[in-house]
Amino acid sequence: SQQGEEDPQALSIQEGENATMNCSYKTSINNLQWYRQNSGRGLVHLILIRSNEREKHSGRLRVTLDTSKKSSSLLITASRAADTASYFCATYNTGANSKLTFGKGITLSVRP
Amino acid sequence: DTAVSQTPKYLVTQMGNDKSIKCEQNLGHDTMYWYKQDSKKFLKIMFSYNNKELIINETVPNRFSPKSPDKAHLNLHINSLELGDSAVYFCASSLRGNKAGYGYTFGSGTRLTVV
Repeated sequence: SQQGEEDPQALSIQEGENATMNCSYKTSINNLQWYRQNSGRGLVHLILIRSNEREKHSGRLRVTLDTSKKSSSLLITASRAADTASYFCATYNTGANSKLTFGKGITLSVRP
Repeated sequence: DTAVSQTPKYLVTQMGNDKSIKCEQNLGHDTMYWYKQDSKKFLKIMFSYNNKELIINETVPNRFSPKSPDKAHLNLHINSLELGDSAVYFCASSLRGNKAGYGYTFGSGTRLTVV
């Protein structure tokens, strides 16, 4: 069953603006990950944040995690046209037979 | 190049046929996965193998049979293909249970079209 729910489903911004994408989930997690998928390509891992972490940075990416609200956000600062892609949050659940479960994804369009 | 490579990239076949998709990783990972992405981009896990042992088997028709000859390879065989099997199939690999703190590495996908 689907775990993460991203919000918004689609986002269109101007180059140079910041893009914020949100993800909510339902069960206990070990970690939460964000992936990017360019059109017609495979998924690329962007960043992983563990359940005991609240914020993580990687280059222009900033991820936050609020386990009390079961939500995460991905911020891309100073967006570029090359950031145009679909972004997925994925949760890795706790317990036996843990697996990575993906949300529906957010389509980000960055206008030059 | 270190990567997850899957073949073929495109597969067009008629209903009722049997087909296989191959996947290989040279990353030294011990766990491999098959995911299916439908036309709405929804990704669903199908199978997972750890060191050749099946550890995840989601509710997938038994027409789908994964095979892992060693921890670097995971193939997917599909019997009696149906129109609803049309999708993009992704192979991925990782270290067991993300204990290393890294995410999954995905292949570039196999677009299967059943006509």
